Amino acid sequence: NAGVMQNPRHLVRRRGQEARLRCSPMKGHSHVYWYRQLPEEGLKFMVYLQKENIIDESGMPKERFSAEFPKEGPSILRIQQVVRGDSAAYFCASSWTGAGYTGELFFGEGSRLTVL
Amino acid sequence: QKEVEQNSGPLSVPEGAIASLNCTYSDRGSQSFFWYRQYSGKSPELIMSIYSNGDKEDGRFTAQLNKASQYVSLLIRDSQPSDSATYLCAVSPSGAGSYQLTFGKGTKLSVIP
Repeated sequence: NAGVMQNPRHLVRRRGQEARLRCSPMKGHSHVYWYRQLPEEGLKFMVYLQKENIIDESGMPKERFSAEFPKEGPSILRIQQVVRGDSAAYFCASSWTGAGYTGELFFGEGSRLTVL
Repeated sequence: QKEVEQNSGPLSVPEGAIASLNCTYSDRGSQSFFWYRQYSGKSPELIMSIYSNGDKEDGRFTAQLNKASQYVSLLIRDSQPSDSATYLCAVSPSGAGSYQLTFGKGTKLSVIP
């Protein structure tokens, strides 16, 4: 499967725990984007990363959320001390060009976080 | 605040009919427009992109863009039950930040056999 791979598909955490979501982009893609979809809401941009660089994190909550895309391995979205409001589907997308790109993103199947 | 508005639906059409999905956007600087299809529990899948005023056809799908009215639509001809899904309209600005898609909440389409 050469598509965007996300894991875990489903994650349950209790309040105060940490959640780590992983994303491997499509083969040949070096740009990764994270979007969040809250219940009954549209997809919201969170962060844009290239290998070893955060390009734009303007959509990320200022606290508890962080993202990385190391030289080797998948991109990781980390949520510390989760709260119930973090329950959502987190989608990763990838592309093979960055700024100035026409916007065609390829999405993974998402990681659904439930906070108890 | 950049916004993309869609009717949430559900929009029900009989099999074989034309389904018409509409979307308006607030940012006049928007340059790229997309329609994604999302089946329940699945990833958004790009089905159409349009960048200039007018119509763009791809198989049973036609996207229409009117920048003056800040309006974009998707027509699905000969609707099939397999078209039943949520359709997301997405818009991006020009230049820096063009990767930041603003999505509508989606319109749920149900094609009745």
